[in-house]
Amino acid sequence: DVKVTQSSRYLVKRTGEKVFLECVQDMDHENMFWYRQDPGLGLRLIYFSYDVKMKEKGDIPEGYSVSREKKERFSLILESASTNQTSMYLCASSSRIQGKLRETQYFGPGTRLLVL
Amino acid sequence: AQSVTQLGSHVSVSEGALVLLRCNYSSSVPPYLFWYVQYPNQGLQLLLKYTSAATLVKGINGFEAEFKKSETSFHLTKPSAHMSDAAEYFCAVSAGGGNEKLTFGTGTRLTIIP
Repeated sequence: DVKVTQSSRYLVKRTGEKVFLECVQDMDHENMFWYRQDPGLGLRLIYFSYDVKMKEKGDIPEGYSVSREKKERFSLILESASTNQTSMYLCASSSRIQGKLRETQYFGPGTRLLVL
Repeated sequence: AQSVTQLGSHVSVSEGALVLLRCNYSSSVPPYLFWYVQYPNQGLQLLLKYTSAATLVKGINGFEAEFKKSETSFHLTKPSAHMSDAAEYFCAVSAGGGNEKLTFGTGTRLTIIP
C-alpha cells in the first residue's frame, strides 16, 4: 500500500514563527503536492514538485515556500506564520509512470495548524 | 484551465436510499475525472477515476459515476446508502496526458439518516 505520512497531526504556533511541515512518501513517486483545505473552499494547491529540487507554484503560494532535497520528502515552510494560515494542510504524491494508477494522488492524513 | 462545480455543499439521505452527488466540470481538453472521499480526521482516499475508457466507472464501496460529455457531468451514485458512507466527497479534474495537477471542487458533506 502507498503510504504518505505527515510529521504532525496537530500543531499550534504563534504569529511570526517559522513553521516546517514535513511529508514523506514510500512509493518512489515523482510528484508531490501541498494543499490547504478550508471549509467551503475545498482543496487549494500551494506548491507542486515533479522532481528533486524542482518546484512549481500552485494557486496560492503567497506566504509559503517548499523544499525537496530527496525524492521521498517534501517540506512546506511558513516563513512567518500568520493567523490567516490557520488551516488543514494535506500532502499528496503521485506517479508519472504509465499505467492505470498514473496521476492518482495519494494523500497523507493532514496536519491541522493553528496560528495564534 | 479546468474547473469543477459540486452542487450542494450538504446532502442528507436516509439509510438504504439512493445517494446522488453532483459534479460538473469545465475543461478545454478531454479531462480525467476523480472522486475522492474524506472520512473525519483523515486524508483523502480515491473512490474512482475516469480516464476516457468506459464512461461508467465503478469504484470502491459500491460507488459508481458516469461521464456524460454532453452534460459536462460526472455525478457519483450509490444505490443504497450505508451509515459508513457519511463523509465529505470531492470531485476533481485534470487535463490528463501527463498533466499531474488536480483541480478540486469545494466538496459535498454526506449525512446518512438512520
